[in-house]
Amino acid sequence: EIVLTQSPGTLSLSPGERVTLSCRASQSVSYNYLAWYQQKVGQAPRLLLSGASTRATGIPDRFSGSGSGTEFTLTISRLEPEDFAVYYCQQYGTSPLYDSSALTFGGGTKLEL
Amino acid sequence: QVQLVESGGGLVKPGESLRLSCAASGFTFSDYHMSWIRQTPGKGLEWISFIAPGGNFMNYADSVKGRFTISRDNARNSLYLQLNSLRADDAAVYYCAREGNYKPFDFWGQGALVTVSS
Repeated sequence: EIVLTQSPGTLSLSPGERVTLSCRASQSVSYNYLAWYQQKVGQAPRLLLSGASTRATGIPDRFSGSGSGTEFTLTISRLEPEDFAVYYCQQYGTSPLYDSSALTFGGGTKLEL
Repeated sequence: QVQLVESGGGLVKPGESLRLSCAASGFTFSDYHMSWIRQTPGKGLEWISFIAPGGNFMNYADSVKGRFTISRDNARNSLYLQLNSLRADDAAVYYCAREGNYKPFDFWGQGALVTVSS
C-alpha cells in the first residue's frame, strides 16, 4: 500500500497569498497518477488536478501541480476566499481490480483564514 | 451534467445491514468504472470498493471484504453497496464516485451518512 503523507496539516493564511501544499508518497507513484481534490465543509471532494499537473474542467489556473515519483506539490498562486478548504492528494497508479490497497488518499491539508 | 445521488443511509445497530444506492445521470453509466469511498473524521478518505463497467469484476478494501457487496444495474443507471455485519467503525459518510481504474475520481455524489450505534 502506498501511504501518502500531506504536510502541513493546517495552514493559516490570508486571501491573496501564495501557498504550496506537499504530498509525499511512501513509494513511487506509477505513471505519476496523482490527483488533488478540494473539499469544503458539508460537500463532497472535488477533483482539481490529475496526472500530477493537469487541471480538471473548470478549475481556475491559479491552481497548479507538479512533482513526480514520491514528491508532489499543489500550488495556489493567489488565494481567493473560496479556496479556504481541505485539500487531499490521492494516487491511482495501481488498478483496484488486482490490488485491494490500490487507491489511497493523503490525510489532507486544511487552509484556514 | 453529471450527477450522482446516493440514498439509503441511516442509523443501524451493530451487526445489522443496510443497502446504499447511487443514481447516476448525465453520462453513459455503462461505460464507466464506479467506486464507493467512505470518509470518517478519524481515518479520512478510504476507498472501499470498485466495479467494472459490465459488473463482471469488482474488488474491495480488506477492511470490508466479505461483509460488503458492490453491484450495479446498468439498465437503471444505478450503483449499489450492500453493507452487512456492520460495526461501529463502519460509521462514515459513504460516497459513490465515477472511475478509479487508472483514473481519478472525477465526479462524486453528495454522500450518504451511515451511523452504527446500539
